Amino acid sequence: QAQLLQSGAEIKKPGASVKVSCQTSGYVFTSYGISWVRQAPGQGLEWVGWISTYNRLTKHAQKVQGRITMTTDTSTETAFLELRGLRYDDTAIYYCARAGSSSWTSDFEPWGQGTLVTVSS
Amino acid sequence: QSVVTQPPSVSGTPGQTVTISCSGSTSNIGSNLVNWYRHLPGTAPKRLVSNDIQGPSAVPDHFSASKSGSSASLAIRGLQSEDEGDYYCATWDDTLNAVLFGGGTKVTVL
Repeated sequence: QAQLLQSGAEIKKPGASVKVSCQTSGYVFTSYGISWVRQAPGQGLEWVGWISTYNRLTKHAQKVQGRITMTTDTSTETAFLELRGLRYDDTAIYYCARAGSSSWTSDFEPWGQGTLVTVSS
Repeated sequence: QSVVTQPPSVSGTPGQTVTISCSGSTSNIGSNLVNWYRHLPGTAPKRLVSNDIQGPSAVPDHFSASKSGSSASLAIRGLQSEDEGDYYCATWDDTLNAVLFGGGTKVTVL
């Protein structure tokens, strides 16, 4: 049974960086991509980006252009999301989810439990 | 405001059928598959309906998904209290090169 386990909550100051991890298990890591989705307080779901675990190709939302790095470690079957230059509106619960091997998929299942990132001075 | 739009809320009594609409354009729903998710507070979202090209369509009996042109819809039949939650449609957009989620619809069982 596929499972995704994320790292714990983070509190960061504006302008700082945060790195969230997503450890997977129960499936062949390189057969699926990993997508990142966030939910700001009181808001809906927002796609942040996708990474191929096979060739490390990435796609991301325009809103995080220039500030995002997504990586994977095949040896530990873990995906990482790094967001730099944090702004107050980056405060959100960040979810990783197993995605298709193609960047244009919106099929995400299962999901990690979520990581709360709070940007506060 | 989302490019893919959903009604903010729908409600119904137990046993009724409610429908959630998801309206987009030719660059997203009109040319790509749509997936539906339910999100309960404090939990991870869960995929309800998968229409992704990689796998078979998975529609639990309780739900009915459809798509026509640039719009999609999810019907919940025999509404139950356990169906309360926030529902989202999601699809790829060829112009934005991004996954778009609808704004979400809160389902309330009266």
